[in-house]
Amino acid sequence: DAGVIQSPRHEVTEMGQEVTLRCKPISGHDYLFWYRQTMMRGLELLIYFNNNVPIDDSGMPEDRFSAKMPNASFSTLKIQPSEPRDSAVYFCASSLMSSPQYFGAGTRLSVL
Amino acid sequence: AQKVTQAQTEISVVEKEDVTLDCVYETRDTTYYLFWYKQPPSGELVFLIRRNSFDEQNEISGRYSWNFQKSTSSFNFTITASQVVDSAVYFCALSGYSGGGADGLTFGKGTHLIIQP
Repeated sequence: DAGVIQSPRHEVTEMGQEVTLRCKPISGHDYLFWYRQTMMRGLELLIYFNNNVPIDDSGMPEDRFSAKMPNASFSTLKIQPSEPRDSAVYFCASSLMSSPQYFGAGTRLSVL
Repeated sequence: AQKVTQAQTEISVVEKEDVTLDCVYETRDTTYYLFWYKQPPSGELVFLIRRNSFDEQNEISGRYSWNFQKSTSSFNFTITASQVVDSAVYFCALSGYSGGGADGLTFGKGTHLIIQP
């Protein structure tokens, strides 16, 4: 079975540009999570969805960040405009209500 | 508020040695779940184990074992006869009643384990 699929694996962009990260959850999973990993702050939850509806976005750092889940098999995390401090590894994870979360391989974002 | 502390930032051992990774947690929930994830050099996060707060039985899976002690709020992870392939960053995490599926995980800062040949 395919796991959580994230794209791109690496993204290099310049400050001020729009960045879109993509995630395809495991088929049948109804929860989807976005996390960010940095050296300073470690792994932190940004937002999560249940049945395509955002449940908790309190971890989203600021209005430059937005996330959508238009259907059960696709989610995006967008940063506009991007800043160097957004450089991090962004992980997507999916789950069923009573299951552990399973993570994708991550997207390494570098904002120059 | 939930908190997970992994006091060991980095551990280096020689292959075949046993090694224990410590995890201490804080939560006000009466029902909660604890997890260990592995992040190898390739970068992905791999689920290893989940335990709920009502099950304090130790768990063994091959060379891996986990010791959950509610009295000390600890969930330690031991690798027996370590191998070079065990080299990775290991994260301990905590969630609420749902078991991690329906709420976010609170992660520790991770322990970088280096197994030298």
